[in-house]
Amino acid sequence: DADVTQTPRNRITKTGKRIMLECSQTKGHDRMYWYRQDPGLGLRLIYYSFDVKDINKGEISDGYSVSRQAQAKFSLSLESAIPNQTALYFCATSSGQNYGYTFGSGTRLTVV
Amino acid sequence: RKEVEQDPGPFNVPEGATVAFNCTYSNSASQSFFWYRQDCRKEPKLLMSVYSSGNEDGRFTAQLNRASQYISLLIRDSKLSDSATYLCVVTQNSGNTPLVFGKGTRLSVIA
Repeated sequence: DADVTQTPRNRITKTGKRIMLECSQTKGHDRMYWYRQDPGLGLRLIYYSFDVKDINKGEISDGYSVSRQAQAKFSLSLESAIPNQTALYFCATSSGQNYGYTFGSGTRLTVV
Repeated sequence: RKEVEQDPGPFNVPEGATVAFNCTYSNSASQSFFWYRQDCRKEPKLLMSVYSSGNEDGRFTAQLNRASQYISLLIRDSKLSDSATYLCVVTQNSGNTPLVFGKGTRLSVIA
């Protein structure tokens, strides 16, 4: 099994719908992150969490919310999806910034 | 100045060639540095950390130049399987801020 698991792998949804992307990890890391990736724009940080009671906005948090349900679980929600949220979304975990990140396989989201 | 800058490429090189990428960073307080590899539509994967004294892993060599604030990645004897995007990643100045990712340099190794 993967260390960092994202579900779903692919999702097509309609404009205005609420959607949740889930991330779970078995690495025992405290730190978890959500990124989106668009062609030519690289990875952009949406939200991050350093422990269960800690949630921080990244550079592009508008239109998104997160929930850290447990050390191992970090969910990203789009309350009302819009087409420009079509992107590849990655979850990542870390035990500290000096050790790099481990990424999940990504969720390809299409909003139509 | 952007925090982490990379030449986007693409670098198109023949098999067996040696290719080098540079990456510049703006925060002189950055402490840790990494190179990640990302295949098309896949997740980034850690290729190697970059140590102050430079380090080598098989055909890959990473170097850090703190004075000029850049890191480099050298790939010797390029293989077709090296074709990917290489992301430069640096820490910010405190332990509680996320890593900063460059946008990546695309490499295509051609037969």
